[in-house]
Amino acid sequence: DVKVTQSSRYLVKRTGEKVFLECVQDMDHENMFWYRQDPGLGLRLIYFSYDVKMKEKGDIPEGYSVSREKKERFSLILESASTNQTSMYLCASTETHSLSERNEQFFGPGTRLTVL
Amino acid sequence: QKEVEQNSGPLSVPEGAIASLNCTYSDRGSQSFFWYRQYSGKSPELIMFIYSNGDKEDGRFTAQLNKASQYVSLLIRDSQPSDSATYLCAVVGSNFGNEKLTFGTGTRLTIIP
Repeated sequence: DVKVTQSSRYLVKRTGEKVFLECVQDMDHENMFWYRQDPGLGLRLIYFSYDVKMKEKGDIPEGYSVSREKKERFSLILESASTNQTSMYLCASTETHSLSERNEQFFGPGTRLTVL
Repeated sequence: QKEVEQNSGPLSVPEGAIASLNCTYSDRGSQSFFWYRQYSGKSPELIMFIYSNGDKEDGRFTAQLNKASQYVSLLIRDSQPSDSATYLCAVVGSNFGNEKLTFGTGTRLTIIP
């Protein structure tokens, strides 16, 4: 079974702190994603990466950065946390397919971040 | 217009009945379509995917795709209380490779015993 793990299930930080969210997958997937999920807004893509040291902005990258030094690990960084970044953060991974016939994303358990 | 639209619900269906969930999308070039189920406090899990026009059946679940009308639906037959969850529609668009999914906001489904 594909396993995607995230470093913390719950996290409480203060405004202005630097926050690191870690995600690790064990299936040698090329692509990894960071989403945030908020009531009424659904899942929104923050950043994604299709290879080591490669990254692409998603729909809401402002206030975030990412790092992918190893294929299995994708980190989300909040340089200076703000209260509007309180949310559920979900990491996902998927293989690359030459045809977009199947693109199942496997999700981690999520990190509920609260910024005070 | 949102890229992927779903009725947020809640949708209440009696146990044993058919639950019908709908999703429309704006990118006519979209190729693949996914239905995820998300229980409260849990992460999404894939239940169906479809990429050809028509119906695809898997157990009690049927996905229906109509690319001309740009909608995809999910039917759940013989609904069970364990089907109570939020159902997310997701679409692979045509704007970047084959990897990026765009999600709808989800439909909350409640099965009434």
